[in-house]
Amino acid sequence: DAGVTQSPTHLIKTRGQQVTLRCSPKSGHDTVSWYQQALGQGPQFIFQYYEEEERQRGNFPDRFSGHQFPNYSSELNVNALLLGDSALYLCASSFLQGTSTDTQYFGPGTRLTVL
Amino acid sequence: QKEVEQNSGPLSVPEGAIASLNCTYSDRGSQSFFWYRQYSGKSPELIMFIYSNGDKEDGRFTAQLNKASQYVSLLIRDSQPSDSATYLCAVNTDKLIFGTGTRLQVFP
Repeated sequence: DAGVTQSPTHLIKTRGQQVTLRCSPKSGHDTVSWYQQALGQGPQFIFQYYEEEERQRGNFPDRFSGHQFPNYSSELNVNALLLGDSALYLCASSFLQGTSTDTQYFGPGTRLTVL
Repeated sequence: QKEVEQNSGPLSVPEGAIASLNCTYSDRGSQSFFWYRQYSGKSPELIMFIYSNGDKEDGRFTAQLNKASQYVSLLIRDSQPSDSATYLCAVNTDKLIFGTGTRLQVFP
C-alpha cells in the first residue's frame, strides 16, 4: 500500500519565479492538505482540497494556489517567489468523515530553496 | 496567545528513562489531538492520536488528554537513543494546528 508521495524532493528557484509541487495521496484517501514548514517551526496550514475544491485556507497570500484532480492527487503552485518562501512543503492526505477530517498522514516533503 | 504551545526544549533524558512531553491548546472546541515525531530533515510521522479524556497507550507511548485543562501530553517509556527527534503536538479544529515542537535528546 503506497503512502503519500511528493515530487520533486528538492527544488531551487530564484526570486520572482513560479513553482509547482505535486502530491499523490495514500490509497483510500480523498482529501489533501498542504503545509509550509520553515526551519525550527511547526508546519503551517496552507489549504485543503476535497472533491476538487478548496475546502479551507490558512493565512497565506493569493500567490499560493492549488488544484485537486479527479484521482485525488494535488498540486501546489506558488507565484512570484520570495526569499521567505524557502521552506519544506508538506502534503498530507486523509479521509474526510462528515465535516471533520480524519487522521492526516504526511508525504516526504519538497524542500524549496529560493535564491 | 499561540493556539498550540509546546516547550521547545531540548528535553534531555537518559536511556531507559521516561520522557514526558507537554502541549497546551487554546481552542476549547478542538476535537482530536495528535502527536507526530519528526527526525531532522524528514517529514512528520504519526505516533498517536487521542479523542477522549484520559490515557491511551500504544506500546511504549502513552497519550494523555485533559480537555478541561486544555492539555495534552505524551509519555515515552524506556526511552531509546532512536527516540531522539522533535515531537510535534497537533490539534484538529477541522484543520491541523501544530505547535513548534519539543526536541527530545535521549543519551546512552
